[in-house]
Amino acid sequence: GENVEQHPSTLSVQEGDSAVIKCTYSDSASNYFPWYKQELGKGPQLIIDIRSNVGEKKDQRIAVTLNKTAKHFSLHITETQPEDSAVYFCAASIGSNYQLIWGAGTKLIIKP
Amino acid sequence: DTAVSQTPKYLVTQMGNDKSIKCEQNLGHDTMYWYKQDSKKFLKIMFSYNNKELIINETVPNRFSPKSPDKAHLNLHINSLELGDSAVYFCASSPSSGGRYNEQFFGPGTRLTVL
Repeated sequence: GENVEQHPSTLSVQEGDSAVIKCTYSDSASNYFPWYKQELGKGPQLIIDIRSNVGEKKDQRIAVTLNKTAKHFSLHITETQPEDSAVYFCAASIGSNYQLIWGAGTKLIIKP
Repeated sequence: DTAVSQTPKYLVTQMGNDKSIKCEQNLGHDTMYWYKQDSKKFLKIMFSYNNKELIINETVPNRFSPKSPDKAHLNLHINSLELGDSAVYFCASSPSSGGRYNEQFFGPGTRLTVL
């Protein structure tokens, strides 16, 4: 069935360095790819999303790239800060019922 | 000005009991969801309602029954609770617009512990 794989499961980077999280999806019909950030004790919150008609999108220190041919997309965080520490989820749209298939999550740790 | 609210935030109960979790959104969205997040943080969609109509019903035990009295509310009732039901349950909502995917807004979660 449809699947989204996310790597790595844990990522530890030095404050100020960049972090990259990668996802692959299986459904070639997927056309919406959001990234969510979940802080401890809270619900996930959208940080950036990209649609299939765009290859890259940037919002300040956060960027997402999409390669539809290879069916993978990545989250890039530059100049990481302590408040970036959280669990990050990628997701891909499936079907026409506003359903998302979610990756397993990446725990990002920013070392001071 | 809470966007998506859930009650209760914590729920501790015995095996075999029946419990409900309530969700309300004041964003005017017409699509609402229930997710289950297990101890490994994996998010799994359970149900989705669009304009009070069930549109997604993933493979969950029929002990779980969603109820949407109106577009702003989606409640989750669980019968005969089991140990494996222990998890954090999230409610979410999103606007639907002609098949275009939009941001999902999540509630703060309900941590269910079954003893």
